[in-house]
Amino acid sequence: NAGVMQNPRHLVRRRGQEARLRCSPMKGHSHVYWYRQLPEEGLKFMVYLQKENIIDESGMPKERFSAEFPKEGPSILRIQQVVRGDSAAYFCASSPPQANTEAFFGQGTRLTVV
Amino acid sequence: DQQVKQNSPSLSVQEGRISILNCDYTNSMFDYFLWYKKYPAEGPTFLISISSIKDKNEDGRFTVFLNKSAKHLSLHIVPSQPGDSAVYFCAASNQGGSEKLVFGKGTKLTVNP
Repeated sequence: NAGVMQNPRHLVRRRGQEARLRCSPMKGHSHVYWYRQLPEEGLKFMVYLQKENIIDESGMPKERFSAEFPKEGPSILRIQQVVRGDSAAYFCASSPPQANTEAFFGQGTRLTVV
Repeated sequence: DQQVKQNSPSLSVQEGRISILNCDYTNSMFDYFLWYKKYPAEGPTFLISISSIKDKNEDGRFTVFLNKSAKHLSLHIVPSQPGDSAVYFCAASNQGGSEKLVFGKGTKLTVNP
């Protein structure tokens, strides 16, 4: 059973370009979460999705950021018109639908905006 | 407003001794707590969790203690091993599971041989 798969592992974008980060949850997991980690900081919640539904996006910046988890295929975190402040490690996690279960994290995508 | 605080940025212990990592929280609505371990350039790895209805949970060398009145939890690792050297994150949720985890800033543990 493969773990949470994220790609790419590293992504370099110029200011103003778009960044697309992909996440395939563990088999049997229907809940997906995206977190961002800035240097020397803990992980910050961005968005919680289930298949075809955004459950909680309270941690996502209102502009330029969007996320989806389609019926088929991976979850996508999309950042439009990237700025230097978007440079961070972005982690995806997944969990099964039962309560009191831990979330399993992918290895992350390190985004660098130049 | 930091709801989960890990006040020790780093901790150094000798191999074979006990490592105690501490975490304080401010939100009394948190009902599920987790510890994750993270190596550089990797994702966090789940270690152990505890529900607010318990005050202790043990898994092998790892034990988590929860003191709800003090809003404090701790992770004990005994005996500590050099492979335990990593950054440890405390996380909390108020939704009974892993939804919308709030993380501390982490404590870097170094276990010296």
